[in-house]
Amino acid sequence: DAGVIQSPRHEVTEMGQEVTLRCKPISGHNSLFWYRQTMMRGLELLIYFNNNVPIDDSGMPEDRFSAKMPNASFSTLKIQPSEPRDSAVYFCASSYRGGATGELFFGEGSRLTVL
Amino acid sequence: GNSVTQMEGPVTLSEEAFLTINCTYTATGYPSLFWYVQYPGEGLQLLLKATKADDKGSNKGFEATYRKETTSFHLEKGSVQVSDSAVYFCALVQGGSEKLVFGKGTKLTVNP
Repeated sequence: DAGVIQSPRHEVTEMGQEVTLRCKPISGHNSLFWYRQTMMRGLELLIYFNNNVPIDDSGMPEDRFSAKMPNASFSTLKIQPSEPRDSAVYFCASSYRGGATGELFFGEGSRLTVL
Repeated sequence: GNSVTQMEGPVTLSEEAFLTINCTYTATGYPSLFWYVQYPGEGLQLLLKATKADDKGSNKGFEATYRKETTSFHLEKGSVQVSDSAVYFCALVQGGSEKLVFGKGTKLTVNP
């Protein structure tokens, strides 16, 4: 079975541009998580969805960040406008029994560089 | 709030050496505990878990025991291989929550 698929793997953009990161979870998984990884702050949970519904977005740093999950097989994380401090690796993860199990399947990440 | 503290890295070992990576946690109640591993250029993978006190999680020669009295979940392996070189993350999820909280990660390099 295919794992969690993220695109793009690498994105270099200039400050002020819009960035859209995409995620396809594992088929049959009903929970989806977006994490951000930086050297300074480690792994931070940004937002998670259960059955396509956003449950907790308290980790979204500010209004420039938004996430959607229009159906069970697709999610996006958008940054508009982007800033250099948004440079990080963004991971999407899915789970078939919800986050309470702690058993998440991660994608390979999208490395974002904002110049 | 809930938090996980891991030993600072990086850790460099020779092949066949014994590995310990320390992890302690702060949580209310009784969380479930996990170790994840991230190989270069990849996403995190679940390595092992323990859901209650005194449970031992094990996988691929790695072990960790849930110690409630010391709030610890140290990762051990008796004989590391070059292929074990990766970043290791300790994590917890609080009962009733769906938010997995990670430590900062410990980078392990194993030299031949």
